[in-house]
Amino acid sequence: NAGVTQTPKFRILKIGQSMTLQCTQDMNHNYMYWYRQDPGMGLKLIYYSVGAGITDKGEVPNGYNVSRSTTEDFPLRLELAAPSQTSVYFCASSYRSYTEAFFGQGTRLTVV
Amino acid sequence: KQEVTQIPAALSVPEGENLVLNCSFTDSAIYNLQWFRQDPGKGLTSLLLIQSSQREQTSGRLNASLDKSSGRSTLYIAASQPGDSATYLCAGTTGTASKLTFGTGTRLQVTL
Repeated sequence: NAGVTQTPKFRILKIGQSMTLQCTQDMNHNYMYWYRQDPGMGLKLIYYSVGAGITDKGEVPNGYNVSRSTTEDFPLRLELAAPSQTSVYFCASSYRSYTEAFFGQGTRLTVV
Repeated sequence: KQEVTQIPAALSVPEGENLVLNCSFTDSAIYNLQWFRQDPGKGLTSLLLIQSSQREQTSGRLNASLDKSSGRSTLYIAASQPGDSATYLCAGTTGTASKLTFGTGTRLQVTL
């Protein structure tokens, strides 16, 4: 059982470039999330989705976009990369409200 | 707004010692609290999930407690081993959609 899979694992972007971080889960979970983790800081919620076709902003959504066309996939889009977006990005999923959350292995992004 | 604090930020103990990690939160209307382990450069691994109606959960050498009235959770690790060395994160869920609010973690080192 693969769980939550994120690609790529590492990426270096130049300022102004765009990219999509991929996240897929095979647990038939309804809820999916994107968090970012900066050194010395707790994880911050970027966007979340409670089902296909439904997305909402988290605590730090500026500079990002998401879509949820299927239950399995929840890609995160960076349109104009900025140095402030250098971080480790984690995708997570849970079956429904108040159940255990499972995390992917993360994508380490550097914007130069 | 929920805020989660973990103290101490770092802890070093000799192998075999029992230890307690602390987590405090400001909003007592918490639905559940989850403890995670994070190894360097890796994703988050779920250790224990405590629902608001529960007082504690146990898994092997780990025991987590939740006291909503005092805004505290503890993770007890019995007979610590070098393999327990990692960063331990707690996260609370409040509101809808099971959005997690994370503490900044306690970095644990178990020495031989």
